[in-house]
Amino acid sequence: DADVTQTPRNRITKTGKRIMLECSQTKGHDRMYWYRQDPGLGLRLIYYSFDVKDINKGEISDGYSVSRQAQAKFSLSLESAIPNQTALYFCATAVWTSGASSILAKNIQYFGAGTRLSVL
Amino acid sequence: KQEVTQIPAALSVPEGENLVLNCSFTDSAIYNLQWFRQDPGKGLTSLLLIQSSQREQTSGRLNASLDKSSGRSTLYIAASQPGDSATYLCAVRGKTSYDKVIFGPGTSLSVIP
Repeated sequence: DADVTQTPRNRITKTGKRIMLECSQTKGHDRMYWYRQDPGLGLRLIYYSFDVKDINKGEISDGYSVSRQAQAKFSLSLESAIPNQTALYFCATAVWTSGASSILAKNIQYFGAGTRLSVL
Repeated sequence: KQEVTQIPAALSVPEGENLVLNCSFTDSAIYNLQWFRQDPGKGLTSLLLIQSSQREQTSGRLNASLDKSSGRSTLYIAASQPGDSATYLCAVRGKTSYDKVIFGPGTSLSVIP
C-alpha cells in the first residue's frame, strides 16, 4: 500500500462547486503539504501543516482552505471551484530528523500519486 | 524571491549515454536542494537530497552536485536506461528548515532503446 494516499485520483467538476481532496499517510510524519502543478510552472505550495494545530498558507492559498483532521489526514478544499484551478494536485509528507552529526537535518518529502482536477 | 529554472525542458538520448540535467536558482541562501523523479500517474519520488553544506550526493547511477555560490545543481545519470524515462524536478528550500520549497518546472527525459 502507498504511504501517502490521495483521493480521488481524478475529478471533473463544474464552476462554483465545492470540492474536497483528501490525503492520508501511514508514515507517521508530522509535516504535511498541498501543492499544485501546472505545465511549465513546476509545483507551487498551497498550504502546509507542521502538526494538527499548526497550519500555514503557502505561495498560492487564495481560493483554497485546508483541514488537518488528525496527524495522518490533511484535506484540501475548493469552496467554489473555478476553471483556473484545473491542475494536478499533490499531497506530501515529511519528518524532521537529525543525523548523528546533529547539525545536519533531513527533511525529505514523500509525495502522493496526485489528483487530477478539471473544473469546467 | 527565489526562482528555480531547469534546462533543458526536454531531452531525448539513446540508451547507454551519460547525461546531465541542470537546475539553477536565483537566491543562493538555500537550506537544501532535492531532486525528484515524476512518473505519470505515480506522483513524485525523491532521488537525492543535498544539504547546503554538501557539494554532492550519490545514489547508484545518480550523482547530484551543488554549487551554492553560482546557484546551480546538476543531476548526472550514468549509463542511461529506458526505465530512466521520466520528468526530473529539482526543488530548493530557503534559508531555514521552515522555509518553503520552490520547485523547478522539470526536465522531461526520454531514453530511447
